Parts: sequence; structure tokens; C-alpha cells
Amino acid sequence: QSALTQPPSVSGSPGQSVTISCTGSTSDIGSYYRVSWYQQSPGTAPKLMIYEVSSRPSGVPGRFSGSKSGNTASLTISGLQAEDEADYYCSSYTSSSTYVFGTGTKVTVL
Amino acid sequence: DVQLVQSGGGLVQRGGSLRLSCAASGFNVSNNYMNWVRQAPGKGLEWVSVIYTDAVTHYADSVKGRFTSSRDNSKNTLDLQMTSLRPDDTAVYYCARVTRQYYFDLWGQGILVSVSS
Repeated sequence: QSALTQPPSVSGSPGQSVTISCTGSTSDIGSYYRVSWYQQSPGTAPKLMIYEVSSRPSGVPGRFSGSKSGNTASLTISGLQAEDEADYYCSSYTSSSTYVFGTGTKVTVL
Repeated sequence: DVQLVQSGGGLVQRGGSLRLSCAASGFNVSNNYMNWVRQAPGKGLEWVSVIYTDAVTHYADSVKGRFTSSRDNSKNTLDLQMTSLRPDDTAVYYCARVTRQYYFDLWGQGILVSVSS
């Protein structure tokens, strides 16, 4: 039950694109299209941004997109905006019928 | 409104016990995959437990044998009984619903559990 691996931080200027990676194993990301991404601002509950690798819930801006290759999933924010500054977590369903979160990535808008 | 409202929590000494509750409105906990997720101060999210619709439960290794998740269908609540608490259990605890597509779509407001040494 090791956490999925994410970079601690990424940064970009407004309008730029940033990509956050999320590396797991064949027991989670590699075996399922059950990867989701969450945005969390200080003192608040996480908010769903992407589900099933690349699907966006209604209300989430189109600049957020997701993908997966092998054991690694990615979240890309295109056209970065100041309001995107937050912590981001990936999550996956696992072969043990449990769930695992990533280590988290802080996105800074320069 | 569809929501989860949490109660319980607080300060407890090492080795003590505490019970968290999560009241659902707008849907039935019995028909959903209900989870607990925690976040230690300044740290990331950690999945804690799930109770599936067939009442099967799973736990993170860090809490297995100490925490028990249960449902009260008559009250439409999800509970987490925590025993043998340790300082590293100190965290904000969230209850959360997982969909049939295995993503977390609804979260409680979070509640702080502090374990003193």
C-alpha cells in the first residue's frame, strides 16, 4: 500500500502549461482506468478534477486534462491561471479492492 | 441536498479510543461505497478504509486491527471506531463517497482528531 509517487512541486507562469506525473505499479495504475485527480486548497476538502484517467466532471475547466501510459498517469493544466494554485493528488483503485492516493504536488503560479 | 456531515473527533490520549460519525443526506450509505480518508497536518491524503455495499470492509495497513468502519442504515450514517490511538493518527479525517467508477465524488467537511503522547 505504498503511496503513488508525484513530484513535490511544479510551477509555471500564467498561460503556460504544467504537467504532474503520478507513478504507481501494475497493482493499481497499470491495471485499471480508475485514476482520478483532486485539487485541494488549504483548509478545504479535495475537489474532483478528473476521473477515469481523462474524463472531466461538469464545471471543471477544459484546461485540465488527464492521460495514462503504463504505470504512470499525468494531469496537465494548459493555460495556467492564478486560481489553479493549489495542491493536487492522484488516486487509483487497486487490485486489493482498496484505494491509494499520490504523495501530492503543490502547483505554484509564478 | 446531497451532502456528508461529520461529527465526533477531538483530543484523546495515546492508547485511547474515539468514534467518528458521518451523516449522509440525499442518498443512502447502504447503496454506496463509503470511505474514510485522513490528512495529517501539513501532509498528503491517506486512504483509511472502505465499506462496500455488501458490507465487506478493507483497511489501510496502518490502521488494520485498530479501526473499524460500520454503517447504521436506520440512521443513514457511516461510523469509524478508532482504538489504540497513536500520535501518528493525528489528522483531519474525511468521510467520502466513491462511485461505481471508483472515484471520490462527495466529501465530508473533515474533522480533526488529535492524539497526545
